[in-house]
Amino acid sequence: KQEVTQIPAALSVPEGENLVLNCSFTDSAIYNLQWFRQDPGKGLTSLLLIQSSQREQTSGRLNASLDKSSGRSTLYIAASQPGDSATYLCAVRRTNAGKSTFGDGTTLTVKP
Amino acid sequence: GAGVSQTPSNKVTEKGKYVELRCDPISGHTALYWYRQSLGQGPEFLIYFQGTGAADDSGLPNDRFFAVRPEGSVSTLKIQRTERGDSAVYLCASSYRGAGANVLTFGAGSRLTVL
Repeated sequence: KQEVTQIPAALSVPEGENLVLNCSFTDSAIYNLQWFRQDPGKGLTSLLLIQSSQREQTSGRLNASLDKSSGRSTLYIAASQPGDSATYLCAVRRTNAGKSTFGDGTTLTVKP
Repeated sequence: GAGVSQTPSNKVTEKGKYVELRCDPISGHTALYWYRQSLGQGPEFLIYFQGTGAADDSGLPNDRFFAVRPEGSVSTLKIQRTERGDSAVYLCASSYRGAGANVLTFGAGSRLTVL
């Protein structure tokens, strides 16, 4: 059974810092890994998706990496801003269209 | 539609009542998923549809929960004899099943409170 862990559960940083969020998973037989952002009381917004054959994906100030063999992914946020404050969740999918397994997220607070 | 639409956004009911939650996926998305999210936790898988059929219902907690997608588009999650432990946000997602990334797109969720 796939288990996804995100550490730390919460993180507080001053504005402008670069930071890394971690996601680890127990079963390396994945199809893809997706990072989401969730604002309080809202649904999930997709940030980046990495296919199992890829090592990283970039979008603006965000960069996600994937190391399947070690069961790890990181989300790097450059030059953090107060608007980045949210909960960040990672999800792994085993097959093309099957269910995704989520971590419990890291709640990020960026202080002005 | 442009995004995944879920109704109602908020539902308060009494223990023992019947509840229906609706999801309207992105047009053309063949795969539809239901998840449940409790406070402070990540979404927990309930059921996944490919077209009209349930391809995986292994996450449904018990037989009080049932979901349908009769025409391969809109889906309804049905909860009978609601219990206080059913209180959560119910999230729906859809994706296009084909070659490529299969990005999951979520709706805003339906918050269910059972008193």
